[in-house]
Amino acid sequence: DQQVKQNSPSLSVQEGRISILNCDYTNSMFDYFLWYKKYPAEGPTFLISISSIKDKNEDGRFTVFLNKSAKHLSLHIVPSQPGDSAVYFCAAQASGGGADGLTFGKGTHLIIQP
Amino acid sequence: KAGVTQTPRYLIKTRGQQVTLSCSPISGHRSVSWYQQTPGQGLQFLFEYFSETQRNKGNFPGRFSGRQFSNSRSEMNVSTLELGDSALYLCASSGGLLGGWETQYFGPGTRLLVL
Repeated sequence: DQQVKQNSPSLSVQEGRISILNCDYTNSMFDYFLWYKKYPAEGPTFLISISSIKDKNEDGRFTVFLNKSAKHLSLHIVPSQPGDSAVYFCAAQASGGGADGLTFGKGTHLIIQP
Repeated sequence: KAGVTQTPRYLIKTRGQQVTLSCSPISGHRSVSWYQQTPGQGLQFLFEYFSETQRNKGNFPGRFSGRQFSNSRSEMNVSTLELGDSALYLCASSGGLLGGWETQYFGPGTRLLVL
């Protein structure tokens, strides 16, 4: 049973436009959420995180939104640049009881078209 | 600050052999977690070490084990390799004191191919 779901395996966006990547989760114990960017044969690179006490966190071109009632989060990238082309993973963890390990979605392959 | 380093980067083994992978965390980080990435299962949590003790464990068989040294460096061992163990093995480090509120930073991974 997938506890973190990224329902779009791929997404194509034109350069300069907004990229919106979505993620749903089912485990109500999750209260810390992260987005990672990954290139092939490399480790994930941390992008941005949000805790359940907030509904928005912004860092430069990246903004993460959290809707706890819908168990949904999204990553907005504005404006999208060619270097943003990569696989994006949504990850979640439960803060209580120590680090139980990140639970990852399957990833969304973002392609930025020139 | 140097990032998480993993050695070796690539490894080829045959079924039945065993393998040891190494991870050096970011300086000052005391928690090291290991993950396996495969095309079918995605990224899955193996285990986490903090202060030389396994603190959390994912759902993997006992063939997968690890340890952590006093300098926080960690090793992961897989015994009696199976073809399905072919994967990218990723190590991540964090401070370790805030538990689930902390961001984990990943190394480049070790690509293991089992023939």
